Amino acid sequence: DIVMTQSPDSLAVSLSERATINCKSSQSILYSSNNKNSLAWYQQKPGQPPKLLIYWASSRESGVPDRFSGSGSGTDFTLTISSLQAEDVAVYYCHQYYSTPHTFGQGTKLEIK
Amino acid sequence: QVQLVQSGAEVKKPGASVKVSCKASGYTFTSNDINWVRQATGQGFEWLGWMIPNSGNTGYAQKFQGRVTLTRDTSINTAYMELSSLSSEDTAVYYCARLRIVGRAFDIWGQGTMVTVSS
Repeated sequence: DIVMTQSPDSLAVSLSERATINCKSSQSILYSSNNKNSLAWYQQKPGQPPKLLIYWASSRESGVPDRFSGSGSGTDFTLTISSLQAEDVAVYYCHQYYSTPHTFGQGTKLEIK
Repeated sequence: QVQLVQSGAEVKKPGASVKVSCKASGYTFTSNDINWVRQATGQGFEWLGWMIPNSGNTGYAQKFQGRVTLTRDTSINTAYMELSSLSSEDTAVYYCARLRIVGRAFDIWGQGTMVTVSS
């Protein structure tokens, strides 16, 4: 199974500042057939299901604010929130869909400093 | 709007089975795979398996092989997850999730179904 490891486990950032969350996979999740990384990012607020933010490591889902961006390739990935808003307080998860079983990072709790 | 609506919370005894439903609306049910994922309280996500609604083909995580069964009824646009031989370790929120056709991530999630296993 591919192990996904996020860092940090928790993060406190001031409003309007940048937040950066990292995700590392135990093996490459780059599809050679389309040169895309099978990595998604989700946001989960208490009592709610996850919301898809980013897929293919850097493609933003429709309706997601452009302050959210994804980057990285191979085994190392980053979710960046360029200017933190109050409504961004949540737990963020990465997810690899390169192979089954699908696996997720342990989550990063993002709070306001 | 596109949505997945799941059945309500369940309380089961150890050794029993549970069947959770997931009704799709707002899109063509047979166009997208449905996956099932669970989340224990305060924990991360654990993937159980996938189903292709068009064919009924399924795939399961090795951990749950023999205990989980995914089915569907295309006449009512509904997917089902049945988990047997329940133990307290199966207490979790169970989600169905639609697989995005382009991008292959989970783009639509059900609201979740809390399954509690307690004697």
